[in-house]
Amino acid sequence: KNEVEQSPQNLTAQEGEFITINCSYSVGISALHWLQQHPGGGIVSLFMLSSGKKKHGRLIATINIQEKHSSLHITASHPRDSAVYICAVWEGAQKLVFGQGTRLTINP
Amino acid sequence: ETGVTQTPRHLVMGMTNKKSLKCEQHLGHNAMYWYKQSAKKPLELMFVYNFKEQTENNSVPSRFSPECPNSSHLFLHLHTLQPEDSALYLCASSPQDGGVNEQFFGPGTRLTVL
Repeated sequence: KNEVEQSPQNLTAQEGEFITINCSYSVGISALHWLQQHPGGGIVSLFMLSSGKKKHGRLIATINIQEKHSSLHITASHPRDSAVYICAVWEGAQKLVFGQGTRLTINP
Repeated sequence: ETGVTQTPRHLVMGMTNKKSLKCEQHLGHNAMYWYKQSAKKPLELMFVYNFKEQTENNSVPSRFSPECPNSSHLFLHLHTLQPEDSALYLCASSPQDGGVNEQFFGPGTRLTVL
């Protein structure tokens, strides 16, 4: 079992829908990182958070440290949001552990 | 554009070839990382360099040989690879290793070993 589990593994939705991707982890962490990977392979950092909630444009990330759970939400989804979304956690501030990713496809 | 570049973007090599992957960061960072991303698997950390010193070798086979001549450049030398080494190889950098530091990734090199 991975230390970082994401769900769903694959998600297909229509343009405009509200999207939620979940990340659960089993280790103590210092912070959590949401990343976006486009089909070409490059990875872009979306959020780093250790508590509460952060918002950037149509993206919102929340984390519940007690429940060891984080969610990434996308409002008013658009085909350009299609990508793989990766959750990663800092285990003890020394090691970055990655989830397997969630492949999101937004259809027009 | 994240400030981290990788060349080549695609590489096809035979098992007897020797090739090198290059990574360069323009962010003034002191830590650089090599990751391997295989299909359907999470990113796997391979090597970490902090201030040009290797601080992590995550049980990587010796057919992968890293080199960090300065804080801005990182190489991964490849020789006698196996088909199962085919993957996306990603380079990343951060201000320094240790502690919670955001990592900035390059576009990756997609490697195919025949």
